[in-house]
Amino acid sequence: GENVEQHPSTLSVQEGDSAVIKCTYSDSASNYFPWYKQELGKRPQLIIDIRSNVGEKKDQRIAVTLNKTAKHFSLHITETQPEDSAVYFCAPSRTGANSKLTFGKGITLSVRP
Amino acid sequence: DGGITQSPKYLFRKEGQNVTLSCEQNLNHDAMYWYRQDPGQGLRLIYYSQIVNDFQKGDIAEGYSVSREKKESFPLTVTSAQKNPTAFYLCASSMGWANTGELFFGEGSRLTVL
Repeated sequence: GENVEQHPSTLSVQEGDSAVIKCTYSDSASNYFPWYKQELGKRPQLIIDIRSNVGEKKDQRIAVTLNKTAKHFSLHITETQPEDSAVYFCAPSRTGANSKLTFGKGITLSVRP
Repeated sequence: DGGITQSPKYLFRKEGQNVTLSCEQNLNHDAMYWYRQDPGQGLRLIYYSQIVNDFQKGDIAEGYSVSREKKESFPLTVTSAQKNPTAFYLCASSMGWANTGELFFGEGSRLTVL
């Protein structure tokens, strides 16, 4: 099965700074790479995703970059705000029958005002 | 309001009792999933179902059972065989295996064994 690791486990940044969270995976057949955000006491929600035929995708202050050769993808958040404080999960997977998402353990991002 | 509904939100159980958590979706999604969330452990997959009347074990299926008799419903039973059942349980759905994409989560059910 997929082995997913996220680094670092916690990250604290000053408001306005950038944050980068990395996810490494083991299954070279993975072709779908999402990031989920879970605020305290709430359900996880998809914030951005990328497929294997694309190297980078941006959506306002967030971006995801993919390095298939090295088997890692990263979440970039610019101009961080206190509301970015949350746990972020990556969940690389492959499409196909019985596909499932294997989540990393999550990274706790704290944005200091 | 479309989405996924889990119930109950909080549940207390005595040791040795089975308990069933409900999950209903009106998104017309084919695939449904159950995850368990413990502090520092991320989301671990218990069971998943890609189609009605079919389901597969996830990474931590021991002590749990599911059924998928209707497309909209995917209840999870936590049996007395589950050694450490106190946790936060999340149900999710997605369009299906051919369109692996966004998971939509319910608000979760917190189970406490007394």
